[in-house]
Amino acid sequence: AQSVTQPDIHITVSEGASLELRCNYSYGATPYLFWYVQSPGQGLQLLLKYFSGDTLVQGIKGFEAEFKRSQSSFNLRKPSVHWSDAAEYFCAVGSRGYQKVTFGTGTKLQVIP
Amino acid sequence: NAGVTQTPKFQVLKTGQSMTLQCAQDMNHNSMYWYRQDPGMGLRLIYYSASEGTTDKGEVPNGYNVSRLNKREFSLRLESAAPSQTSVYFCASSVDMPQETQYFGPGTRLLVL
Repeated sequence: AQSVTQPDIHITVSEGASLELRCNYSYGATPYLFWYVQSPGQGLQLLLKYFSGDTLVQGIKGFEAEFKRSQSSFNLRKPSVHWSDAAEYFCAVGSRGYQKVTFGTGTKLQVIP
Repeated sequence: NAGVTQTPKFQVLKTGQSMTLQCAQDMNHNSMYWYRQDPGMGLRLIYYSASEGTTDKGEVPNGYNVSRLNKREFSLRLESAAPSQTSVYFCASSVDMPQETQYFGPGTRLLVL
């Protein structure tokens, strides 16, 4: 069975600082990995996804993530955080032959001036 | 395109009452999903429909039923609401599964008293 762990429930960063959100996964086949963002009171929006190929994936809003098979990780990064990045971030994993995507419990990002 | 729409936006029920949450998508997607979101639990899959005419249980199906009415519409029914079903419900759709991006509706906030 596939599963996702986001070890950080809440993270606070200063505006302009760098950001890394952690995601670890387990899967039974080739993983499909996703990061979604949820602004308050809204649905989720895809930031980026990884299926195969280049392990560094670029997404929208200046985010990137790196797939590290040896560490079973897919951490999300941004070099300089903006106040508008304050939201909740969800990592998700799917796998070929398994018809569901499993979401992590989310990391809530607070950005302080 | 409206994307994924959900009705109602907010609902209050008394224990034992029934209701149906409606979801529609105009992106010609094959797959549709119902999730519930609870604090600290992330998104949990209730039911999904891989294609028109099929539905399958997700992680937390007890107390719910679904109907894939046609390719566009996927409804979620609570036959006898319980306080434990107080949650935010999200509908999502994707071209296919599991590797495709899911597009989420704005959510329905349900309070069961």
